[in-house]
Amino acid sequence: QLQLMESGGGVVQPGRSRRLSCEVSGFTFNSYGMHWVRQAPGKGLEWVAAIWYDGFNKFYSDSVKGRFTISRDNSKNTLYLQMNTLRAEDTAIYYCARDEGGYGAEFFPHWGQGTLVTVSS
Amino acid sequence: EIVLTQSPGTLSLSPGERATLSCRASQSIISDYLAWYQQKPGQAPRLLIFGASSRATGIPDRFSGSGSGTDFTLTISRLEPEDFAVYYCQQYGSSPPGISFGPGTKVDV
Repeated sequence: QLQLMESGGGVVQPGRSRRLSCEVSGFTFNSYGMHWVRQAPGKGLEWVAAIWYDGFNKFYSDSVKGRFTISRDNSKNTLYLQMNTLRAEDTAIYYCARDEGGYGAEFFPHWGQGTLVTVSS
Repeated sequence: EIVLTQSPGTLSLSPGERATLSCRASQSIISDYLAWYQQKPGQAPRLLIFGASSRATGIPDRFSGSGSGTDFTLTISRLEPEDFAVYYCQQYGSSPPGISFGPGTKVDV
């Protein structure tokens, strides 16, 4: 059974850092690109970052470029999002999603349930 | 960057009626690389349609997608009670990759 399970959310102060994890099972993790997508409270979906199946290439939205880093450990079937210099506008549910292909440029057949990050003092 | 616009923002319908949702792109989407997702409150999005018109696994045939270039449509032929939700379109396939979502259309009673 295919599963994606995010963790690491919580309340964090502005300017601080947080690392999210997404542990997957039920498919060959090292064959697929992966993404982080976020959703601010009551708002729509925003693509955040993508990574190739092998971690060689990474891509970011303009809103997080230079502050967030996507990475993966294929030996642990785990995707990460390191979030630095957090701002109030980063408050959102963060979903990990599996790409249909290996290069993070397709649609998302599978999603985790999300983890809430609240940036507040 | 391709910007997606969805209309209407809210669609008020009754069970059994037909729903027609629109997604318009600021420039032509290559190879019709457009997907549709359904999201219910408190849940993750669910893939409905990819490649503009291909239904994802397990999606009922009352959901259909059409369109090409810059104009795309999601049609729900006869609304079931469980279809009342928010629907998002997403474009993909461009480089480096370019991935973006539309703002969503809420289908409510």
